[in-house]
Amino acid sequence: NAGVTQTPKFRVLKTGQSMTLLCAQDMNHEYMYWYRQDPGMGLRLIHYSVGEGTTAKGEVPDGYNVSRLKKQNFLLGLESAAPSQTSVYFCASSYVAGGHEQYFGPGTRLTVT
Amino acid sequence: KQEVTQIPAALSVPEGENLVLNCSFTDSAIYNLQWFRQDPGKGLTSLLLIQSSQREQTSGRLNASLDKSSGRSTLYIAASQPGDSATYLCAVGTGANNLFFGTGTRLTVIP
Repeated sequence: NAGVTQTPKFRVLKTGQSMTLLCAQDMNHEYMYWYRQDPGMGLRLIHYSVGEGTTAKGEVPDGYNVSRLKKQNFLLGLESAAPSQTSVYFCASSYVAGGHEQYFGPGTRLTVT
Repeated sequence: KQEVTQIPAALSVPEGENLVLNCSFTDSAIYNLQWFRQDPGKGLTSLLLIQSSQREQTSGRLNASLDKSSGRSTLYIAASQPGDSATYLCAVGTGANNLFFGTGTRLTVIP
């Protein structure tokens, strides 16, 4: 049981490049989330999904897109990376939003130059 | 918008001391509250989850309390150990599928 895994662990992009971050969970959780963590700020929700084929915007969705084609995977895409998107990205999952614990992956450290 | 504050930002204690970490939030209409531990360069590990109808939760040397009416939660760590050194994050869950995080308290336990 690997829990929540994230790929890649580190990445450096140039401004304007695109990339996709992959999150996978093997706990059969319905809900999945993408957060970003910046120095001096709490984690902030980017997008979330309440089930396969569904996505919704969180607090800071601009510049990101997501897809949940399979229940176990949640993808976060950056179409045209900007330096402001330099951050650590965390994926999480839970059985029931709010009612159950969120379980987090190890994070992806992204630098945009 | 829910605002979550954690004080102090950093705390150093000698090994063996009992300590309390504080978390306050502005909107008492919460769904739950979760305490996490984060080690440098690592992900978040869930420590305790308190549902809005509960007053406290305990796990080993950890005890978390919740007072919704005053917008406060505390995390009590008994008999602290150097292995407890980490950043502790408080997060408030709302019904809108979101956790609002504080910026954390960085704890150092000195051997």
